[in-house]
Amino acid sequence: DAKTTQPPSMDCAEGRAANLPCNHSTISGNEYVYWYRQIHSQGPQYIIHGLKNNETNEMASLIITEDRKSSTLILPHATLRDTAVYYCIVRAHLPNFGNEKLTFGTGTRLTIIP
Amino acid sequence: DVKVTQSSRYLVKRTGEKVFLECVQDMDHENMFWYRQDPGLGLRLIYFSYDVKMKEKGDIPEGYSVSREKKERFSLILESASTNQTSMYLCASSPTGAPGDEQYFGPGTRLTVT
Repeated sequence: DAKTTQPPSMDCAEGRAANLPCNHSTISGNEYVYWYRQIHSQGPQYIIHGLKNNETNEMASLIITEDRKSSTLILPHATLRDTAVYYCIVRAHLPNFGNEKLTFGTGTRLTIIP
Repeated sequence: DVKVTQSSRYLVKRTGEKVFLECVQDMDHENMFWYRQDPGLGLRLIYFSYDVKMKEKGDIPEGYSVSREKKERFSLILESASTNQTSMYLCASSPTGAPGDEQYFGPGTRLTVT
């Protein structure tokens, strides 16, 4: 799986949009971009994933550049409960078994400021 | 809601002891995973299983073994605990390896080996 690079930490004011960048310059054509987050003392939680089109769900939006070398997770109206470590992961989906594992880096620690 | 439970939130064991960490999921998921999480290293995959009695090594299997006798239960075994196995252990499950299948995580077990 391709490696990802994220800033170690970010702050965002409550109520503003939080934009979390991720670089994945070695991503290959069959690799998806996934985002998870981990709130303190809890297990990681899935947020969103995408291949090449932008995606939106009830939690967030995912913007993937046209060359797919980077992406941005957007939390449109950040709340204090969004304070967490956010992980960007790229993962291949191959037809054979063995493609399920996620490789987590150290992520971005997002702090929402009241 | 999918629920992944782990037998203990906190565990203290002595060096050389045999340690069992249990994980149970209630959604009939095919895949189950064991990760460990250490500061500065992110989450690292120890073992995973894609079916009953099947197991595959992850990135750091040394010093660990696993057992999956029933679909809902995945056990991590430390045959002879050592201090460098002090860590947070996270169990996860997922339905299949298909795109979009998220991994659901348990709350974690913080193991201290003294």
